[in-house]
Amino acid sequence: EVQLVQSGAEVKKPGESLRISCKGSGYNFTSYWITWVRQMPGKGLEWMGRIDPSDSYIDYSPSFQGHVTISADKSISTAYLQWSSLKASDTAMYYCARLWVIPNWFDPWGQGTLVTVSS
Amino acid sequence: NFMLTQPHSVSESPGKTVIISCTRSSGSIASNYVQWYQQRPGSSPTTVIYEDNQRPSGVPDRFSGSIDSSSNSASLTISGLKTEDEADYYCQSYDSSTLVFGGGTKLTVL
Repeated sequence: EVQLVQSGAEVKKPGESLRISCKGSGYNFTSYWITWVRQMPGKGLEWMGRIDPSDSYIDYSPSFQGHVTISADKSISTAYLQWSSLKASDTAMYYCARLWVIPNWFDPWGQGTLVTVSS
Repeated sequence: NFMLTQPHSVSESPGKTVIISCTRSSGSIASNYVQWYQQRPGSSPTTVIYEDNQRPSGVPDRFSGSIDSSSNSASLTISGLKTEDEADYYCQSYDSSTLVFGGGTKLTVL
């Protein structure tokens, strides 16, 4: 079974750093891109960026470029999303998903990681 | 970049048919595939339609997708509505290296 398992919920203070993870299993991790999606409380889905785990090539959404860093370690079939200095506005659910490059289809999705940033 | 515009909410009775639209602001809707995702409260999104009109295995044929170039829009049609179809639905497409979601439509089955 193809699965993406994300790391657990996090509670952080403004200014702190954070890295969350997404581990793929049940398929060849380097044959598909991984993408990240933000969902703020009560809001819709926002595409953040995508990474090709085979060579770590990355595309960022212009809205998130410079605010987050996407990376991957193909040796352990894991992708990461990280912040160097969190803000309260980063409070959201973050999903990873396997990306079928053509047609840029997100499937399956991870279970989500809730990040709460509060002083 | 372009935007995908969906109605904020729709409602219909069980057994009826509902159509959710997704209009592309610029560029041709037919140039890039459209996907549709269902998100129930507290759950991750799941695919109901990919590549404009394809259903993943396990998705009932009550769900169908289409593209209309004249209105530059995609549509998700759900027939024989069931209470379990109540959820948020998102369309999604792309343009070169940018991927875009619609704002989402809340479907109420009452």
